[in-house]
Amino acid sequence: EVQLLESGGGLVQPGGSLRLSCAASGFTFSNYAMSWVRQAPGKGLEWVSSMTVSGGTTYYADSVKGRFTISRDNSKNTLSLQMNSLRAEDTALYYCAKDLGVGGRYTGWFDPWGQGTLVTVSS
Amino acid sequence: EIVLTQSPATLSLSPGERATLSCRASQSVSSYLAWYQQKPGQAPRLLIYGASNRATGIPARFSGSGSGTDFTLTISSLESEDSAVYYCQQRSNWPTFGQGTKVEIK
Repeated sequence: EVQLLESGGGLVQPGGSLRLSCAASGFTFSNYAMSWVRQAPGKGLEWVSSMTVSGGTTYYADSVKGRFTISRDNSKNTLSLQMNSLRAEDTALYYCAKDLGVGGRYTGWFDPWGQGTLVTVSS
Repeated sequence: EIVLTQSPATLSLSPGERATLSCRASQSVSSYLAWYQQKPGQAPRLLIYGASNRATGIPARFSGSGSGTDFTLTISSLESEDSAVYYCQQRSNWPTFGQGTKVEIK
């Protein structure tokens, strides 16, 4: 069974930094692109970032470009999101999601998702 | 940015009825559209991708159709467990989501 377990969320002041992690199991992590998607409290879904299997290609939403950095460690089956210069509008539940594509192909379809880790940016 | 507009905002139907959810894109996304189901307190679950392909383990009562700018998610016969918010998502360029349709079971 595929499992994605996010961690690292918490309360941080505006301008601060936080690093999220996603521990993956139940599938060959190195064969799939991975993504982060967030959901502000009571709001809809917003794609944040994606990374291909080798980490050679990364994609970011305009709202986080230059502030967030996605990375992966295929030897540890872990996806990370380094978040710097955090703003109040970054407050959200951050989900880690596996790409649907097999053989390393990036499809942009998210399946499945973890349960999320909550990031709150407030003074 | 491609904007997805979902309608209606809320759909209230009885068990056994047919639910039809709409998603309209601000420009053509070809068939690069997916549907997700999110129940309260849970992560979203992929239902349909590529406009009409059911994801693994998704019941046959869920079906998707459309291409270009107009898409539909149909639940042929509603069950109580289908009460949820449904989101469409495109990946023609970078991914964006619609604002969601809440399906309530009377």
